[in-house]
Amino acid sequence: EVQLVESGGGLVKPGGSLRLSCAASGFTFSSYIMNWVRQAPGKGLEWVSSISSSGNYIYYADSLKGRFTISRDNAKNSLYLQMNSLRAEDTAVYYCARDGRFGVALVGPDAFDIWGQGTVVTVSS
Amino acid sequence: EIVLTQSPATLSLSPGDRATLSCRASQSVSTYLAWYQQKPGQAPRLLIYDASNRATGIPPRFSGSGSGTDFTLTISSLEPEDFALYYCQQRSSNWPAFGQGTRLEIK
Repeated sequence: EVQLVESGGGLVKPGGSLRLSCAASGFTFSSYIMNWVRQAPGKGLEWVSSISSSGNYIYYADSLKGRFTISRDNAKNSLYLQMNSLRAEDTAVYYCARDGRFGVALVGPDAFDIWGQGTVVTVSS
Repeated sequence: EIVLTQSPATLSLSPGDRATLSCRASQSVSTYLAWYQQKPGQAPRLLIYDASNRATGIPPRFSGSGSGTDFTLTISSLEPEDFALYYCQQRSSNWPAFGQGTRLEIK
């Protein structure tokens, strides 16, 4: 079964740090672009960051202003999000999501086709 | 930065009705547009990609159309399980922004 499972969320004080993980299974993780998407309570979806299959190309939402770092370990089938200098407005459910395109030729649906169940991050004193 | 605007914010319809949801981009995204459905407490689910292609397992009552800046998600005959939030997402750039969502509620 194709699956993404996030972990690492929790309660953190403003200014603190947290590292989220996403464990992938059921597909060739190293062939896919991966993403983080967040959703603040009662709000819409916000794309956070993307990383290419090799990890060589990385993109971030402008709103993050260098506080977050995405990475991956293809040997461990895992995606990560290091979050520093956390603020109250970072409170959200954080989802990892697979880009449907795979391989060098980027074949497949051009969209986020597989999502994890999300992990909750709460930034509060 | 490409901004997506969805309308209406809320759509109130009855089972069996036809639903038409709109997504407008601030600049052309060609057909690089996707639609997602989200139910309370669940992760989003991909419905449509490349503006008009149904994702695996999506019933044929869901269809997408449009190109450039104007896109539509149509649900031909609403089932009770279709009442949810719907988001569009542009895939034209390396910053794949979402629209703010349309809530489809039971009238």
